[in-house]
Amino acid sequence: GDSVTQMEGPVTLSEEAFLTINCTYTATGYPSLFWYVQYPGEGLQLLLKATKADDKGSNKGFEATYRKETTSFHLEKGSVQVSDSAVYFCALLPRNAGNMLTFGGGTRLMVKP
Amino acid sequence: ETGVTQSPTHLIKTRGQQVTLRCSSQSGHNTVSWYQQALGQGPQFIFQYYREEENGRGNFPPRFSGLQFPNYSSELNVNALELDDSALYLCASSPGTNQGADTQYFGPGTRLTVL
Repeated sequence: GDSVTQMEGPVTLSEEAFLTINCTYTATGYPSLFWYVQYPGEGLQLLLKATKADDKGSNKGFEATYRKETTSFHLEKGSVQVSDSAVYFCALLPRNAGNMLTFGGGTRLMVKP
Repeated sequence: ETGVTQSPTHLIKTRGQQVTLRCSSQSGHNTVSWYQQALGQGPQFIFQYYREEENGRGNFPPRFSGLQFPNYSSELNVNALELDDSALYLCASSPGTNQGADTQYFGPGTRLTVL
């Protein structure tokens, strides 16, 4: 079945450091890929998405590129802020083969001033 | 534009009881999905409703059931609550224009504690 694997956290960075959170997936066909963010005590917010190979999703300084050859969708940000501290979830949605999002286990990011 | 809303915010029940959680979808969305998120884990898909019909179900027992109403709001019902049902229950809505490939937008969740 479909699955998503994320790097284990927590990831602890100083403010203005470069961020990478790795995400790889296993799926039949070419799913849509998503990053969601969850702040403490809240639901999930869509951060960015990509629907086909080589697409780059971007939002609020975060970027991720859909790499079909490596089945990856790594999240990056050039300069993190304390306000970016949250849990980040990578997820996939199958294309024409179902309607359930499959999530990774989440990666907690802690940014220190 | 109103986003996805859920009620109640928090709920405490005892083992064996029944619970109903509610969700109002985002304006213009006709598809609602429910997820269970245990502490420290990623969300797990429970089921989805599209135009009032169940449209996919995850690996959850029949005591998890749902409804969708003509205004596309939805309920999640859980019977015979167990301790392991303690979790954050998330509702997500999507436009239903490209069923199976729509972006899902989440509500704030209902935190259920079973004692």
